[in-house]
This record gives sequence, C-alpha cells and structure tokens, in this order.
Amino acid sequence: KQEVTQIPAALSVPEGENLVLNCSFTDSAIYNLQWFRQDPGKGLTSLLLIQSSQREQTSGRLNASLDKSSGRSTLYIAASQPGDSATYLCAVTTDSWGKLQFGAGTQVVVTP
Amino acid sequence: NAGVTQTPKFRVLKTGQSMTLLCAQDMNHEYMYWYRQDPGMGLRLIHYSVGEGTTAKGEVPDGYNVSRLKKQNFLLGLESAAPSQTSVYFCASSRGQQETQYFGPGTRLLVL
Repeated sequence: KQEVTQIPAALSVPEGENLVLNCSFTDSAIYNLQWFRQDPGKGLTSLLLIQSSQREQTSGRLNASLDKSSGRSTLYIAASQPGDSATYLCAVTTDSWGKLQFGAGTQVVVTP
Repeated sequence: NAGVTQTPKFRVLKTGQSMTLLCAQDMNHEYMYWYRQDPGMGLRLIHYSVGEGTTAKGEVPDGYNVSRLKKQNFLLGLESAAPSQTSVYFCASSRGQQETQYFGPGTRLLVL
C-alpha cells in the first residue's frame, strides 16, 4: 500500500529565508504528484502538479521537483513571506481514476 | 465562477441521525471526490465518481453512500451517524483523472 510521508510536521522560518518542504512515497508507480496549501479552517488550494514523466514544475516563487525512482518530491518556496504561513500537503495519484493519497502535511510559520 | 461549493458549512448531529452533504461544481468537471480529514490521519478518500450516474468506493467508504444524478452535483449521505464520523469533509473535482483537483471549503461535522 502506498504511504506518503512529510517531514518535518512543523517548520518555523524567518521572513526572507527559503523554504524547503519534503515529501516521500513508498511506491514509485505514481501517475502524478500534487502540492497543496491549506489555510486554517479552509479548503485546499492546488499549488503545483507534476506528471510522472516530469522532473520539476515552477510557478512564481514555487518550484517542485520529483524523483520517482527514489520516491521523493521537494517543494521550494523562495524568499518566504508571512503570507506563506499555512499547512502544505503533498499527494500522489496511484491509479488511473485520479485517486489521491495524501501526506499528513507540514505546518509552516514564517515570522516577520 | 464559484468553483466547488459545499453545503452546509457546519452541522451538529446526534448519533443515529441522518444527513446529506451537497457538493456542487460549475466547471463542467467529470470527476468528483469526497474526502474526510482527521487530525493525525490526513485526508482519506471516501467515495468518488468518474461521471454522471457513476460512483465507486474509496479507502474509507463504510457508513457512507453517494449519488451523482447530475454532473455538477455529488451528494454524500450518512444514513445513521456515529461519533467516529466526526470530521471535516471535503469535496473535490477535476477535469480528468490525471489533472488538478479543485477543493471545496469543507463541511465540519460533529456527531454527538
């Protein structure tokens, strides 16, 4: 069974520092990997989707890499801001129906 | 364009009561999903639908039923609520099985 792990569970950084968030998965047979952001009491907002054939995706200050063979993905957020404070979730698609398997998330606090 | 909406936002039930959660999307998406989010457990898939009139079981389907009579709506039913069903329920939709999933704001359910 696919297991998705995000370490650390919580992270605090000063404003301006780059954020590095890790996601690992046990079964490399994935279709894609998605990174989401969740603010307290809110739904999930999709940040990036990386197809299994891709190595990375970029959007503004965000860059996500994917190494299927080692079962890892990393989300980089450049020059962090207090508005980046949220919980970040990664999820992998493990079948052709698009079902997502989520990690437990990393709670990020960016201090001014 | 409202995206994905969920009704109600919050509900308190007594054990044994029934209720229906409504998810609606205005993006003409084929695929729709119901997840529950519990502390320490992450998000887990309850049921999903790959098109109007279709439904299938996810990871934790027991105690829930679903229906997709119209393409834009996906209903989640609890026939006899139990305290173990206290959770935050999220609906999501996507255009295709390997595409980005868009989430609703969630329904917070408390079963006493």
